[in-house]
Amino acid sequence: GIQVEQSPPDLILQEGANSTLRCNFSDSVNNLQWFHQNPWGQLINLFYIPSGTKQNGRLSATTVATERYSLLYISSSQTTDSGVYFCAVERTGTASKLTFGTGTRLQVTL
Amino acid sequence: DTGVSQNPRHKITKRGQNVTFRCDPISEHNRLYWYRQTLGQGPEFLTYFQNEAQLEKSRLLSDRFSAERPKGSFSTLEIQRTEQGDSAMYLCASSQRSSGANVLTFGAGSRLTVL
Repeated sequence: GIQVEQSPPDLILQEGANSTLRCNFSDSVNNLQWFHQNPWGQLINLFYIPSGTKQNGRLSATTVATERYSLLYISSSQTTDSGVYFCAVERTGTASKLTFGTGTRLQVTL
Repeated sequence: DTGVSQNPRHKITKRGQNVTFRCDPISEHNRLYWYRQTLGQGPEFLTYFQNEAQLEKSRLLSDRFSAERPKGSFSTLEIQRTEQGDSAMYLCASSQRSSGANVLTFGAGSRLTVL
């Protein structure tokens, strides 16, 4: 199956700092989503971004499908950004499931 | 749109008992997925339905696990003869595949603890 790796595994930031999270995947994809999992376990969809760049407030994401990676940018981080960020992909040619990465655990401190 | 609803949110059971989780997807979504997540790991795929048809099952889904989606609406995931290794968060998601896009929306999950 497709392999999805995320880096860094853990990240501690002071409030107001910026960060970049990376997702590498081993095969071509036709679906890529970034999720934020809050402390209660809820997965919140941040972006659907199989290619290109999108922005939503302080968050933006870029996927370079030909090079098999995606980046999630968080600017001016806030304590509410804390949690685990997952990248999930669906391999091209399949019409089925998302495979999740290993996650990046982010802690934003005051 | 009330989102994806899962019940119960928490279940504590003794080893050997049967448990059932329910998922109500977003009403217009034709796809429904079950995932399992253990502590410190990413969600792992279990199975998915398109309408009432179960189209794919993971090898993680042992004979003790069964999922149904009667009439293509809500879904149930039953675990028989629970084991301590079944303790996990069980996540449901739904989607409506259109124009090539397949954006999954997740419920809040059902946390199972097997004593």
